[in-house]
Amino acid sequence: EIVLTQSPGTLSLSPGERATLSCRASQSVSSSYLAWYQQKPGQAPRLLIYGASSRATGIPDRFSGSGSGTDFTLTISRLEPEDFAVYYCQQYGSSPFTWTFGQGTKVEIK
Amino acid sequence: EVQLVQSGAEVKKPGESLKISCKGSGYSFTSYWIGWVRQMPGKGLEWMGIIYPGDSDTRYSPSFQGQVTISADKSISTAYLQWSSLKASDTAMYYCVRPGWLQYYFDYWGQGTLVTVSS
Repeated sequence: EIVLTQSPGTLSLSPGERATLSCRASQSVSSSYLAWYQQKPGQAPRLLIYGASSRATGIPDRFSGSGSGTDFTLTISRLEPEDFAVYYCQQYGSSPFTWTFGQGTKVEIK
Repeated sequence: EVQLVQSGAEVKKPGESLKISCKGSGYSFTSYWIGWVRQMPGKGLEWMGIIYPGDSDTRYSPSFQGQVTISADKSISTAYLQWSSLKASDTAMYYCVRPGWLQYYFDYWGQGTLVTVSS
């Protein structure tokens, strides 16, 4: 079973700053199988990035994903007030079907 | 427009049974898997299991196998998550989710159903 470890647990930044979130897998993951989600308080998560680097529909271009193998990164180029939230990475395993989430990174206002 | 609309919040006692629902619309319900994700209070996301309504093929996370039952009624485009005997540790928000065509990620989420189990 692949384990996803996100770091840091909490990121304290100011609006306008750049946020860099890490997701490390315990084994190599196909880039096609890596996604990122954003969850705001009281809301369901929403898909941000799929295939490690493709933005989902309607996601602003300040969000970008990168990485391969065991190390993946979500970058928010300039934080807007609405970006303060919890972010989760997720990987898909095909044999058998599994969807595994990281434990999350909270981006909070400094 | 694709929508997943879940049933309302539930308050139950330990040992009681429960079945919550998720109605899909705006797409071919029998052509996409539909699954469930748990979020315990203040915690992260856990995939529980998934069903293909077209043929009722169902897969469970090992962590939830035997603890819950996932089913679907394709005649009314609705998926279900049920418990036969609830425990306090089942208290959580439950989201239904629909993977994309490639199945690798969840592109649609329901609004969530809060289940509270307390004596």
